[in-house]
Amino acid sequence: NAGVTQTPKFRVLKTGQSMTLLCAQDMNHEYMYWYRQDPGMGLRLIHYSVGEGTTAKGEVPDGYNVSRLKKQNFLLGLESAAPSQTSVYFCASREGLAFTDTQYFGPGTRLTVL
Amino acid sequence: AQSVTQLDSQVPVFEEAPVELRCNYSSSVSVYLFWYVQYPNQGLQLLLKYLSGSTLVESINGFEAEFNKSQTSFHLRKPSVHISDTAEYFCAVSDAGNMLTFGGGTRLMVKP
Repeated sequence: NAGVTQTPKFRVLKTGQSMTLLCAQDMNHEYMYWYRQDPGMGLRLIHYSVGEGTTAKGEVPDGYNVSRLKKQNFLLGLESAAPSQTSVYFCASREGLAFTDTQYFGPGTRLTVL
Repeated sequence: AQSVTQLDSQVPVFEEAPVELRCNYSSSVSVYLFWYVQYPNQGLQLLLKYLSGSTLVESINGFEAEFNKSQTSFHLRKPSVHISDTAEYFCAVSDAGNMLTFGGGTRLMVKP
């Protein structure tokens, strides 16, 4: 099993450009999450999904959109990138039936917005 | 609302010395506590978690953490660290909902 994978690993954007980050998991997990990691601030939740076709806002959703058309994939979109969105983005998945279940993280995507 | 404070952003320590990484939380309801570890250039991995029962929980690689409800703390300890323990450690809290709230992280730097 590959676990949780993220595409791409690195990306540089200019202000105003758009892009989509792809997260894929092969563990048949119901719950999926997108976080951003900034120095000294830990991980902050952007959006999450409790199942195929559902999404919900997290702590810092502004400027991002998500879609969960297939159970195994969770897409994070930036419609008009801003320098404040320079960050490392992590996707995670959780089996879902118990809130105490472990979250499994992908390796991250490092995004720089110039 | 819940929050997590990790009091030290960096902890330098010599190899084979003991270490304590501090974590305090605030929440108005019962909480469940986690420590995650992030090795360089990798995603986070679960190190240990407290759900209920014994307040002392252990990981397979020698770390332990103690849940202290009166002090709202969940400090992580190891009696003797190795170079391979160099990583960033995150404390997190769940209130039985869908989300985890993470602290700012503590970078453990083990020196030879």
